[in-house]
Amino acid sequence: AQSVTQLGSHVSVSEGALVLLRCNYSSSVPPYLFWYVQYPNQGLQLLLKYTSAATLVKGINGFEAEFKKSETSFHLTKPSAHMSDAAEYFCAVSANQGAQKLVFGQGTRLTINP
Amino acid sequence: DTAVSQTPKYLVTQMGNDKSIKCEQNLGHDTMYWYKQDSKKFLKIMFSYNNKELIINETVPNRFSPKSPDKAHLNLHINSLELGDSAVYFCASSSSGSGETQYFGPGTRLLVL
Repeated sequence: AQSVTQLGSHVSVSEGALVLLRCNYSSSVPPYLFWYVQYPNQGLQLLLKYTSAATLVKGINGFEAEFKKSETSFHLTKPSAHMSDAAEYFCAVSANQGAQKLVFGQGTRLTINP
Repeated sequence: DTAVSQTPKYLVTQMGNDKSIKCEQNLGHDTMYWYKQDSKKFLKIMFSYNNKELIINETVPNRFSPKSPDKAHLNLHINSLELGDSAVYFCASSSSGSGETQYFGPGTRLLVL
């Protein structure tokens, strides 16, 4: 069984500040981990994913995430927030075997203050 | 070019009605999914098809019946709609295999009155 917990349903940062969105996972098998972004009234777009190749994963729009097995974490960061980063962010996990369903966290709404 | 498309985008209907949502992907993928996003934005998988075969069916009421006529299409039919069915339904597709990226459609916003 797998699950994801995103700490903080709402994160607010100033433009130009560091963005840190937290994700912890639970998985009985080695996981694959994903971050998706959802802009208002749109579908989900992949930001980045971890599939065991490298623990530090770089994604689109300047985002990156680090897989830490010892902490069961996959936190998303961006050094300098931009107004266009305002959106809902979802962390998700899937198993490295069997049917490939994504199990999502609750989502974190990111607000950028000018 | 739209990779994963859904119709309709919005659906407003009365309780008890039957409705269908259609999904098409032009990515050449062989696996398709339906996810439900509730009013609190929580996303949960409903169904998955691989090469037209049902491989995931997550404790969804049997009023929901998916159908995949071919690898590029996955439709969702809902009978006897209830208020609690109001949600955003997302279709997604991927190649088969572990860790493959799932590509999502724009969603269908269903409101049951």
